Amino acid sequence: GEDVEQSLFLSVREGDSSVINCTYTDSSSTYLYWYKQEPGAGLQLLTYIFSNMDMKQDQRLTVLLNKKDKHLSLRIADTQTGDSAIYFCAEGSGGYQKVTFGTGTKLQVIP
Amino acid sequence: DSGVTQTPKHLITATGQRVTLRCSPRSGDLSVYWYQQSLDQGLQFLIQYYNGEERAKGNILERFSAQQFPDLHSELNLSSLELGDSALYFCASRRTDDIYGYTFGSGTRLTVV
Repeated sequence: GEDVEQSLFLSVREGDSSVINCTYTDSSSTYLYWYKQEPGAGLQLLTYIFSNMDMKQDQRLTVLLNKKDKHLSLRIADTQTGDSAIYFCAEGSGGYQKVTFGTGTKLQVIP
Repeated sequence: DSGVTQTPKHLITATGQRVTLRCSPRSGDLSVYWYQQSLDQGLQFLIQYYNGEERAKGNILERFSAQQFPDLHSELNLSSLELGDSALYFCASRRTDDIYGYTFGSGTRLTVV
């Protein structure tokens, strides 16, 4: 079955790096996603990685994928107070197939 | 504005009542997905429609139903409401060939009192 797990909470100081971890179970997943949900808002796609990639970097964001261990991580460099949000890991197979979301990790950035 | 419109934004209703949540997908998107976000249960997939037809069902209660109309908008009907149905209900849409996951609406916050 499909299951995506994340830790529920992470607290970091402004300027430090944040690392949010995720594990998933569906080995047929083609795409792994990170979504960000700010208070009172819907989810916004932050970044994604194909399952045949190990790493993707996009400005302050670095995504690492260990397909063997089915482990995905999101590193945010120089974390800012505006990064405070809930971050959802998700996996999907493309096409019209549904995307399965993790429980979300609430990131708190302390000034 | 993501292009996915959900109405109403907030809804307060009593137990036992019935409500309808509406979603207009992004222009050109044929797939619509409904999710429930509770405080302690993360984002739970409810149901998916593709071009008017039900494609996948998740943890959707029998008291809940949905449909997608010819103009591609979708409605989620919640009946015999219970306190535990209080949650954020999100709609998302997607093009068939879109690898970029979903585009989410801003959600409907349902409070059952």
